[in-house]
Amino acid sequence: DGGITQSPKYLFRKEGQNVTLSCEQNLNHDAMYWYRQDPGQGLRLIYYSQIVNDFQKGDIAEGYSVSREKKESFPLTVTSAQKNPTAFYLCASSIFSKPGQETQYFGPGTRLLVL
Amino acid sequence: AQSVTQLDSQVPVFEEAPVELRCNYSSSVSVYLFWYVQYPNQGLQLLLKYLSGSTLVKGINGFEAEFNKSQTSFHLRKPSVHISDTAEYFCAVNPNSGYALNFGKGTSLLVTP
Repeated sequence: DGGITQSPKYLFRKEGQNVTLSCEQNLNHDAMYWYRQDPGQGLRLIYYSQIVNDFQKGDIAEGYSVSREKKESFPLTVTSAQKNPTAFYLCASSIFSKPGQETQYFGPGTRLLVL
Repeated sequence: AQSVTQLDSQVPVFEEAPVELRCNYSSSVSVYLFWYVQYPNQGLQLLLKYLSGSTLVKGINGFEAEFNKSQTSFHLRKPSVHISDTAEYFCAVNPNSGYALNFGKGTSLLVTP
């Protein structure tokens, strides 16, 4: 079955620690995205990537970093500079042919909690 | 920048009753409009989208939405809801020049017997 997988489902971070959230897709999509979801806030874009080895900052990129070394993978690192990381993180992907028109397909999410 | 306003944070409704979830956007240019649904502790799933053409868009699970350019609205409707429709619903807009979506804050639909 094609789809997007995110791991782990739950992640705990200690103070001063960097943690990495995994996102893998086998849909052969070129574009991938990371969103952060807080209660009552909707989804906010952290980073997105349209092609391998290229990515763009979204609205709330501070304290986060990404890489796109492979088409199917787009890991997100939450660094110690992100002072309020507790949230639900969603990864998505889409095809690349028509900017803005494509459906984004979402993974099941990772819930990050701070110890 | 385009913004999206979902006018109701929560909508309680009885099973088999009709429902309308409201969405307004601000934009001076053409936009693409989307409705996504999120079931508890899951990712989002596309319900429907408006790109061009007919202003009445039909989606999955019996939902439909109407694009109203003069009102800058894209309200979601269903004539008869089921318990299984209980979920969070997000309206999103995309300017026709980029890939990123701007999401509203969501409307929680609670369907009770």
